[in-house]
Amino acid sequence: EVQLVESGEGLVQPGSSMKLSCVASGFTFSNYGMNWIRQAPKKGLEWIALIYYDSSSKYYADSVKGRFTISRDNSKNTLYLEMNSLRSEDTAMYYCAKASSLWYFDFWGPGTMVTVSS
Amino acid sequence: DIQMTQSPASLSASLGETVTIECRASEDIYNGLAWYQQKPGKSPQLLIYNANSLHTGVPSRFSGSGSGTQYSLKINSLQSEDVASYFCQQYYDYPTFGGGTKLELK
Repeated sequence: EVQLVESGEGLVQPGSSMKLSCVASGFTFSNYGMNWIRQAPKKGLEWIALIYYDSSSKYYADSVKGRFTISRDNSKNTLYLEMNSLRSEDTAMYYCAKASSLWYFDFWGPGTMVTVSS
Repeated sequence: DIQMTQSPASLSASLGETVTIECRASEDIYNGLAWYQQKPGKSPQLLIYNANSLHTGVPSRFSGSGSGTQYSLKINSLQSEDVASYFCQQYYDYPTFGGGTKLELK
């Protein structure tokens, strides 16, 4: 059974940094691209970052480009999202999601909440 | 970016009814479209990919259709467990989502 479990939930001040993790199990992690997708409270879904199976390519939404960094450690079956210069509009539930062979998301974690507020 | 416009934003239907949710892309996405179901307090779950392919384990009362810029999700014989929000997502280009449809029971 595919399982994705995010961690790193918390309340941070604007301008600060935070790192999220997502531990994967139930599939061969090193064979698949992985994504971060977020959802602001009572809002829709926003894809924010994708990393290829071998970290050879990374893509970002314009809203986070230059501030967020996606990375992975295939030896630990773990996906990361480093977030810098956080803003109030980054407040959201953050989901990690496994990519299919194309850029849709066939399995999602339960999410971890990030609140940016002073 | 490809914009996805989903309608209606909310929908109320009776048990056993058939409901249809529409999604329009700002340009041709060549069937690169997925549908997700999100129940309250839960993460989204994939229903449909490639516009009309059913994801493993999804009940056959769900179906997808469309082409070009116009796509739809149909739920036949609505069940109580189908109460949820539904989102479309294109993956012809960098992924973008529709605004969602909240489905409630009448």
